[in-house]
Amino acid sequence: ELKVEQNPLFLSMQEGKNYTIYCNYSTTSDRLYWYRQDPGKSLESLFVLLSNGAVKQEGRLMASLDTKARLSTLHITAAVHDLSATYFCAVDIRAGGTSYGKLTFGQGTILTVHP
Amino acid sequence: DGGITQSPKYLFRKEGQNVTLSCEQNLNHDAMYWYRQDPGQGLRLIYYSQIVNDFQKGDIAEGYSVSREKKESFPLTVTSAQKNPTAFYLCASSIGDSWYQETQYFGPGTRLLVL
Repeated sequence: ELKVEQNPLFLSMQEGKNYTIYCNYSTTSDRLYWYRQDPGKSLESLFVLLSNGAVKQEGRLMASLDTKARLSTLHITAAVHDLSATYFCAVDIRAGGTSYGKLTFGQGTILTVHP
Repeated sequence: DGGITQSPKYLFRKEGQNVTLSCEQNLNHDAMYWYRQDPGQGLRLIYYSQIVNDFQKGDIAEGYSVSREKKESFPLTVTSAQKNPTAFYLCASSIGDSWYQETQYFGPGTRLLVL
């Protein structure tokens, strides 16, 4: 059974600081997704990481994937209040290149950025 | 505008009642999914469908049923057998081609409450 674990689960940051959210998963996969969820809202796709060593950046967020370590990171640079949300990673189980379309989600990291 | 719509936004269920949540997409996506989110937790897959007239159980299918008679529509019925239905239900869709990035796009969600 695939397990996806995020840490920390709660993150309180000061504006202007840097921090990293970690996503570990338990079985082989080369596709990992990061989503953002605002309170009471749906999920918004942030990044799709498709291979070992993939790095993607958008604004103050940068995501990377190390498939050998089964680890993805979401790095936040110079945090601002607008980044306050819950961040989820999700892993796609694949076998021989065929996607079954089944995503397994981490528990989510609740990020609060305060002045 | 292309997107995913879910209705209703809020739904109240009485004991022993079956209720149906609607999900429609005009993205021309082949694959559709239903997830359940409980407070403070990640998403868990209920059912998914890769093509019309075909669907598979996810991790927590007991007490739920689905149909996929049209490409655009994937309704979810919460049956009376689901003893703890209170949750936020999210519908998603993706292109469905295993060789493309399988980003899943999410609808706005339906919040189901038990009276």
